[in-house]
Amino acid sequence: QKEVEQNSGPLSVPEGAIASLNCTYSDRGSQSFFWYRQYSGKSPELIMFIYSNGDKEDGRFTAQLNKASQYVSLLIRDSQPSDSATYLCAVNFYGNNRLAFGKGNQVVVIP
Amino acid sequence: DTAVSQTPKYLVTQMGNDKSIKCEQNLGHDTMYWYKQDSKKFLKIMFSYNNKELIINETVPNRFSPKSPDKAHLNLHINSLELGDSAVYFCASSQDTGTKGYTFGSGTRLTVV
Repeated sequence: QKEVEQNSGPLSVPEGAIASLNCTYSDRGSQSFFWYRQYSGKSPELIMFIYSNGDKEDGRFTAQLNKASQYVSLLIRDSQPSDSATYLCAVNFYGNNRLAFGKGNQVVVIP
Repeated sequence: DTAVSQTPKYLVTQMGNDKSIKCEQNLGHDTMYWYKQDSKKFLKIMFSYNNKELIINETVPNRFSPKSPDKAHLNLHINSLELGDSAVYFCASSQDTGTKGYTFGSGTRLTVV
C-alpha cells in the first residue's frame, strides 16, 4: 500500500517564528511532491512543488526533499496568523496517475 | 473566472435519494478527478478521467458513477445515498498526469440525513 504519512499533531507557533512540517512516503520511485494549504471550509491550494533533492524556496516557504530518506518537509519562515491552516503533503507515485495525500497537519500561528 | 467550478456548494438530502454534482474547468486541462474528504480531513481519490476516458476507478461503491461528456466537464452521480456518503467532494483538474499539481474546485458538502 503506497502511503503518505504526516504524523505530527497540531502545531502552534508564535507569530514570526519558523513552522516546520514533515512528511514521509512509502514509494521510493515517487517523482513529484507537493504541499497544499487548506483553510477551514475551503479547498486545497497548491503552495509548493518539488522534484529534485534539496531545497526549493518561494517567498517565506521552503520545501526540502530527501529521496534517499523518503521525506519531504515544509518550512514557513516569519509565520503570520494568515498561515493558520491545515497543510497537506501530496505525492505523485511513480506509474500512478494520481496524487496521494497525507492526513494533514494543522498549524496555528499565535499573534 | 473560476478555474474549477462545482455545483452545488451544499447538498442536503435524505437517505435513499439520488443526487448529482457537476464540475467544469476552464483551464484547458486534460485530466479531471473526484476526491472525497471525510470528517477527519483525509483526501482520497475516487475517479480520474483523461480526455473523457476513465483511467482511475478506486474501490468505490458502484452507487457512484462518474460521467465526462467532454474534457472540460466531469460529473458525479450518486444513487441510493447512505449516511456514510456524507463528506466534502472535491473536483480537481491537471495538465496531463499532474506533475505540476492539481487545481481544486471549491468543494460540495454533501449531508445525508
